[in-house]
Parts: sequence; C-alpha cells; structure tokens
Amino acid sequence: KAGVTQTPRYLIKTRGQQVTLSCSPISGHRSVSWYQQTPGQGLQFLFEYFSETQRNKGNFPGRFSGRQFSNSRSEMNVSTLELGDSALYLCASSFSTGGETQYFGPGTRLLVL
Amino acid sequence: GENVEQHPSTLSVQEGDSAVIKCTYSDSASNYFPWYKQELGKRPQLIIDIRSNVGEKKDQRIAVTLNKTAKHFSLHITETQPEDSAVYFCAAREKEYGNKLVFGAGTILRVKS
Repeated sequence: KAGVTQTPRYLIKTRGQQVTLSCSPISGHRSVSWYQQTPGQGLQFLFEYFSETQRNKGNFPGRFSGRQFSNSRSEMNVSTLELGDSALYLCASSFSTGGETQYFGPGTRLLVL
Repeated sequence: GENVEQHPSTLSVQEGDSAVIKCTYSDSASNYFPWYKQELGKRPQLIIDIRSNVGEKKDQRIAVTLNKTAKHFSLHITETQPEDSAVYFCAAREKEYGNKLVFGAGTILRVKS
C-alpha cells in the first residue's frame, strides 16, 4: 500500500497570510490526525478527523482548523500566520479513531517570515 | 490530561552496547503505548507498540516493557548499530480526554562506532 502523503512539502509564507496543507491517508484508513512538531515543543496534537467529523482537538487557537473529505483526505488551514507557526506539520493516518496505530506522512515544513 | 515524560533527553552509547529509554505517564486509564523512531529529516516511523494487557513485547533487537502499577514503560535496544542513531519518541493513548496520543519530548540516541 502507498504510504501517507502530504503536500506541499515546503512552504514559505509571511505573517498575516493563511495556508492550507493537505494529507492523503493510507488507502482504507479513515482517521487523520495532525501534529505540529517544533524543536522546543516536540509533537503537539492539533486535531483528529474521522469520517469527516472532528473527533479530538488539541490546545491550539482557532486560527488552526481542518476538515476531512469523503475520500478521507484531510486539509489543515492556518489563518493569520504568526512567526511562531513555523514548524513541521505532520499528519498521521490510522484505520480507526481513538489513537490507534498511526502512520505518519513526511510532513510539510512551514516557514513564516 | 495525560502527561508523558521521557528520559533521558540525549543518550550516547558505543556500538554493540544496549540503550534504554524510559517514559512515565499520568493517566492510569491509558492502554496503548507506541514508540516511534525519527531519523533526521524523515517522518516518525512506528517501531514497536504495546497494549496494557501485555507486560513485554520483543521484535528482534527491540523490546518494550510496561509497568502499569508504576505507570512507566521502557524501550530497550540491544546490540546497537550506527543506524539506530535517531530521535525516539514514546507516546501514550489518553483515555480521559478523547482517546488521543500524547507524545514524550523525545530522546536523541547517538551510537558511536
């Protein structure tokens, strides 16, 4: 099976802009979780989508949002970008919801200038 | 919510020696504990996981042990090789607040040849 894919792989934006990241899960997986990875904070959970519904949410401001489509592909949006949003954004897919075995994508590295 | 502490933050071993990384968790209801390996510039890869109904699990040179009473679990790597050099993350599935994975801060393992 093909692994989890994410696009784009790299992105440079300026403060105040918005960005949309995409994640395609492993075929047959219906859950997609998003994480922010930074050197200082490690892997921080953003949210999880399962069957087009948000099932869990981490402690991030409302500028971070997401959605999931009927084919299980997921998008994450960050509005009004801040310098501190610079990070590696990882998505992970799993067959079912609830923190089950997750497989990560390669990530999107976002740099906010 | 769940809190996962991971030690040590860095670990240097000589090739052929063993390496042990320890994690503690706070949510006594947590029941799933995966370990991920992340090489520089790559995605986190699941290397082994354990569920709360099992005390130990082995896969070749890697083993994980779980002590539910003490709420800690450990990763053991025997006969370390240079290619084991990476960042290792432990995680615990939080049950109380939505069944999501909470990650430790990571351990940088360096295997010297």
